[in-house]
Amino acid sequence: GAVVSQHPSRVICKSGTSVKIECRSLDFQATTMFWYRQFPKQSLMLMATSNEGSKATYEQGVEKDKFLINHASLTLSTLTVTSAHPEDSSFYICSAKTPGQGSEPLHFGNGTRLTVT
Amino acid sequence: GQNIDQPTEMTATEGAIVQINCTYQTSGFNGLFWYQQHAGEAPTFLSYNVLDGLEEKGRFSSFLSRSKGYSYLLLKELQMKDSASYLCAVRDGDYKLSFGAGTTVTVRA
Repeated sequence: GAVVSQHPSRVICKSGTSVKIECRSLDFQATTMFWYRQFPKQSLMLMATSNEGSKATYEQGVEKDKFLINHASLTLSTLTVTSAHPEDSSFYICSAKTPGQGSEPLHFGNGTRLTVT
Repeated sequence: GQNIDQPTEMTATEGAIVQINCTYQTSGFNGLFWYQQHAGEAPTFLSYNVLDGLEEKGRFSSFLSRSKGYSYLLLKELQMKDSASYLCAVRDGDYKLSFGAGTTVTVRA
């Protein structure tokens, strides 16, 4: 149980275009989802926390107008990278928290490899 | 915020034991996690500690000392497939995970 599906797994886009990444909780309702970014040989950095039905909370240094997050339902959160540039090329991973989660780990999607040319 | 430190790389021989240390300084603490991550893939959960002591799960064990801000992950009977990056992560009261930079373990035959 507790499966998180992330789509697409890989995307290549041209500089200046926008890319949408979807994160779905398949068998549970995720009131909170988290978006991470990972550059090569670096650890995961939290970008933002997404709560269903409310605005996302962004970490310091993350541009909210560039990385648009929508969490319109309990099973879907989306991250849109607007006007992408080569420096946005990275591995983006979402994770989800089940309601009342205690010792369970956050459940991660399989990640999206974004390459901006 | 969180400050999490772990070694960058470790190398060990197949069948051996390796211990990966993690020290942390946090503004809030609600558990420490260890994840395994193979290149290009998402992290997979290995272990969780919230109370002091040792948690054992098969070949993997994890230890926590909250007073010292210290944890370690112990990998026994190393196999080639254990070559991966191991991430120490601390969770705060809002369920946000902060990750260390990861330790790349290379298992040699």
